[in-house]
Amino acid sequence: SQTIHQWPATLVQPVGSPLSLECTVEGTSNPNLYWYRQAAGRGLQLLFYSVGIGQISSEVPQNLSASRPQDRQFILSSKKLLLSDSGFYLCAWGVGSKETQYFGPGTRLLVL
Amino acid sequence: GNSVTQMEGPVTLSEEAFLTINCTYTATGYPSLFWYVQYPGEGLQLLLKATKADDKGSNKGFEATYRKETTSFHLEKGSVQVSDSAVYFCALLRTAGNKLTFGGGTRVLVKP
Repeated sequence: SQTIHQWPATLVQPVGSPLSLECTVEGTSNPNLYWYRQAAGRGLQLLFYSVGIGQISSEVPQNLSASRPQDRQFILSSKKLLLSDSGFYLCAWGVGSKETQYFGPGTRLLVL
Repeated sequence: GNSVTQMEGPVTLSEEAFLTINCTYTATGYPSLFWYVQYPGEGLQLLLKATKADDKGSNKGFEATYRKETTSFHLEKGSVQVSDSAVYFCALLRTAGNKLTFGGGTRVLVKP
């Protein structure tokens, strides 16, 4: 069966520090991968998605970037965190068209 | 563009009460519709889905019917339990591309 992992689970970082969040998927090949952010008390916003290695599409302009160095690995990064980057970051995967997306456990990021 | 509107919470119920969470959508074409649930401190779990008009998704006692004529996908459960306390998200998957659009989420609190 397929599983999706995210780490770390929780992260507290100072403003201006770099960020690297990792997501890996097991049990499937060539998945579509997604990064979402959930700000406190709000819904989910799609940040990035990827249909293959090295292929990244950005949904909204922001202080973050994403990379996909391997088929089942998706990384969310920032060179300098802002206070507004605080939130709950969720990675998701799906396969095929009209796919169902399955979410990881999330990373809670607090920027101070 | 595509959008999903959910009733605002929080919804507070007593155990064994009937739960309805309204969800309406705006989309071109024939999107797939989903309900996800987020338990405290966790990621999103797929609760149920429907891929075409008049389909009924069901899981764990929850049901929702894809109503194209009213562009709705209301979530219902006949008898809620304390363990159903969570945030529920309605979402649509647009036919062009594989991007989910989420509603703002509805927090449900079930009291014993």
